[in-house]
Amino acid sequence: QSALTQPASVSGSPGQSITISCTGTSSDVGSYNLVSWYQQHPGKAPKLMIYEGSKRPSGVSNRFSGSKSGNTASLTISGLQAEDEADYYCCSYAGSHWVFGGGTKLTVL
Amino acid sequence: EVQLVESGGGLVQPGGSLRLSCAASGFTFSSYWMHWVRQAPGKGLVWVSRINSDGSSTSYADSVKGRFTISRDNAKNTLYLQMNSLRAEDTAVYYCARDRRNYYGSGSYYINWFDPWGQGTLVTVSS
Repeated sequence: QSALTQPASVSGSPGQSITISCTGTSSDVGSYNLVSWYQQHPGKAPKLMIYEGSKRPSGVSNRFSGSKSGNTASLTISGLQAEDEADYYCCSYAGSHWVFGGGTKLTVL
Repeated sequence: EVQLVESGGGLVQPGGSLRLSCAASGFTFSSYWMHWVRQAPGKGLVWVSRINSDGSSTSYADSVKGRFTISRDNAKNTLYLQMNSLRAEDTAVYYCARDRRNYYGSGSYYINWFDPWGQGTLVTVSS
């Protein structure tokens, strides 16, 4: 039950775009299992940002978008804002269990 | 408003037991699968366990299998996690989360996600 691979940290300036990758295997990310993405601010519960790989829940800014290519899913945040500074996690079903990425700390410079 | 509120966390000695609860409101609890996810201090999210809507099917992460038991009381709109033989490495904030899903392929498979999450309850295993 290995975790999905995410970069430990990414950074960007306000107004810029960043992309966070999430790499798995053909058994999880690469299969029909489309990933979900969660945002977590310090001391807070995770919040759903993207589901089924690219769909946004009601209330989530359209600055957040998701995609997938092969065994790698990606979360892109455009027009970075200070409030986007948080930890981001991807998640995929892996047949009998669920696996999360190790998390990516986004710093808005 | 859909809400999940965990309780039952605390300090317990290694080898001890603890039961966590997750009270649900604002939705038809009995219609949804539910999950427990944990987060050790300063670490990432780790899936722990899930239960189907009527409680007849469960699954666990290898790290807790045989020690933890997930259950639910649909009449009380409450999810539980019974944790036995606790170890230091079980120290974490435990979150409950509702399972949302869409079925595809004439119902042959599904894609799911977790929404919403509770605020979490801290379990500390230490002597």
